[in-house]
Amino acid sequence: NAGVTQTPKFQVLKTGQSMTLQCAQDMNHEYMSWYRQDPGMGLRLIHYSVGAGITDQGEVPNGYNVSRSTTEDFPLRLLSAAPSQTSVYFCASSRTSGGARGYEQFFGPGTRLTVL
Amino acid sequence: KNEVEQSPQNLTAQEGEFITINCSYSVGISALHWLQQHPGGGIVSLFMLSSGKKKHGRLIATINIQEKHSSLHITASHPRDSAVYICAVVGSGGGADGLTFGKGTHLIIQP
Repeated sequence: NAGVTQTPKFQVLKTGQSMTLQCAQDMNHEYMSWYRQDPGMGLRLIHYSVGAGITDQGEVPNGYNVSRSTTEDFPLRLLSAAPSQTSVYFCASSRTSGGARGYEQFFGPGTRLTVL
Repeated sequence: KNEVEQSPQNLTAQEGEFITINCSYSVGISALHWLQQHPGGGIVSLFMLSSGKKKHGRLIATINIQEKHSSLHITASHPRDSAVYICAVVGSGGGADGLTFGKGTHLIIQP
């Protein structure tokens, strides 16, 4: 199993450009999520999905879109990049959203995005 | 919104020392995760617990649900334990809205 994969590893954008960060998992996990990590702050949830065809907003969704057409893939789209979106982005998956006990979270390697 | 506080923020210790990292949260949860992030960024799950204590090798995690507090202990610390340790909680509703993270504890173990 490859686990959770993310592409690209690094990306530099100019303000106003759009792009898609790719995330895929091969563990048949229902739950997938996107987080951003900024210096001095904990990881913050951008969007999440509890299954194919179902997505919802997290804590910081503005400027980002997601879709979940398959169980495996959960791309994150930046519609019009802004310098405030400079961050490290992590995709994560788990068997389900958690239930009473929670389930182990698997993280991708991250994408380091710089917006100039 | 759950507030997750970790202490200390930074910790430097000598090889062999016993390490304790603390995590407290403000609202009841269904589970708590301890994660490790090495320089270069990858995040790995160390423990997930909802009660009591878990042990894996030199790592021990405990949680006190009533006191809303968890600790991560490292026995016989080694330079390879140098990393950022992150506490994250799953809401009592089951966690569909994701984890809430602490800001992390930067641990450096000197030889």
